[in-house]
Amino acid sequence: DQQVKQNSPSLSVQEGRISILNCDYTNSMFDYFLWYKKYPAEGPTFLISISSIKDKNEDGRFTVFLNKSAKHLSLHIVPSQPGDSAVYFCAARQGAQKLVFGQGTRLTINP
Amino acid sequence: DTAVSQTPKYLVTQMGNDKSIKCEQNLGHDTMYWYKQDSKKFLKIMFSYNNKELIINETVPNRFSPKSPDKAHLNLHINSLELGDSAVYFCASSQFGGGMGDEQFFGPGTRLTVL
Repeated sequence: DQQVKQNSPSLSVQEGRISILNCDYTNSMFDYFLWYKKYPAEGPTFLISISSIKDKNEDGRFTVFLNKSAKHLSLHIVPSQPGDSAVYFCAARQGAQKLVFGQGTRLTINP
Repeated sequence: DTAVSQTPKYLVTQMGNDKSIKCEQNLGHDTMYWYKQDSKKFLKIMFSYNNKELIINETVPNRFSPKSPDKAHLNLHINSLELGDSAVYFCASSQFGGGMGDEQFFGPGTRLTVL
């Protein structure tokens, strides 16, 4: 039973355009959400997070939106750059409990 | 000066063998984790240790045994390896035991292939 799902295994975006990565969850008790970025042969690295008391968090080119009623969050990257090409993992947590990860979306930025 | 390191990076072995994966963090963090990335690409937690004490023990076969000699190290020993154990294993650490703002830092992963 996967509580966090990323239904798009891959996404291709032109350089300079907006990339939108989506994530859905089923556990309404999740109160903290994170995005991790992973390059090949490396471990995931933390990118941005959002608490359930917010609906938006912005850090430079990266913005995460949370829609609690829909149990949906998204990561917006604008403008997209070639170095953004990676696998992006969505993760969620309830309190201090374990992180639950989605299966990742491979983002490719085309020149 | 790698923050979280794992050895080996690749491990190819025969069914039935026993193998270990080592993990070390130099961040001074209190908590360390082992994750398994399966064939469907989900990252799933296996264990976590806080100051050498087992905190999380997911439904993992008891052929898997974590060992934490000190809070900077968390090794994973696997007995009687099976084909289904083939996966990428990630070690991670965090400053505290979880919660908001306690982001996890991951090692580069160990790709285990059981033949």
